[in-house]
Amino acid sequence: DGGITQSPKYLFRKEGQNVTLSCEQNLNHDAMYWYRQDPGQGLRLIYYSQIVNDFQKGDIAEGYSVSREKKESFPLTVTSAQKNPTAFYLCASKSTDYTEAFFGQGTRLTVV
Amino acid sequence: AQKVTQAQTEISVVEKEDVTLDCVYETRDTTYYLFWYKQPPSGELVFLIRRNSFDEQNEISGRYSWNFQKSTSSFNFTITASQVVDSAVYFCALNSYSSASKIIFGSGTRLSIRP
Repeated sequence: DGGITQSPKYLFRKEGQNVTLSCEQNLNHDAMYWYRQDPGQGLRLIYYSQIVNDFQKGDIAEGYSVSREKKESFPLTVTSAQKNPTAFYLCASKSTDYTEAFFGQGTRLTVV
Repeated sequence: AQKVTQAQTEISVVEKEDVTLDCVYETRDTTYYLFWYKQPPSGELVFLIRRNSFDEQNEISGRYSWNFQKSTSSFNFTITASQVVDSAVYFCALNSYSSASKIIFGSGTRLSIRP
């Protein structure tokens, strides 16, 4: 089935560690996104990428890094510089401007 | 500046009541698209509808209907005869010409349908 796969579904991280969240899509979409959602809050854009080997910072990029080496993949690394990383992370993709985005099932990250 | 406002943080109604979720947007662009998404407890956002700025026709899909009014910059969502399965967080979103590929989301409205 075509779609977006995020893994893992739940992730626990010790303070001071970097962790990488996976996002893979087989929809042949050009654009991919990472959003952060805190409890009871809306979606805040972390990074987005419109083509391979290119990406732009969103509204809350500090403490995060991404890469886009393949069209299908857009991994997000939460670095130790992110002071409050506990949140729900959603990955999305879409084909062109103005079309709807499709979302993965999310990764819930908890710092322990 | 692009902005989406969902002033209703939480709404709770009894099953079978009609309920309207409000969405007000801001953009200076003449070309833009508006979206509604549903986020059930599982967390994944589910796409419901897309509407472009040149089409102000209202749309109905089963118990769901959408009212787009450019004069008031609003894109409201009505659920008729609500059901418990409609309980979720609903997001309104905007994608406009000047924001390129960025999709701007409202803060969401948590809808609870009581049996």
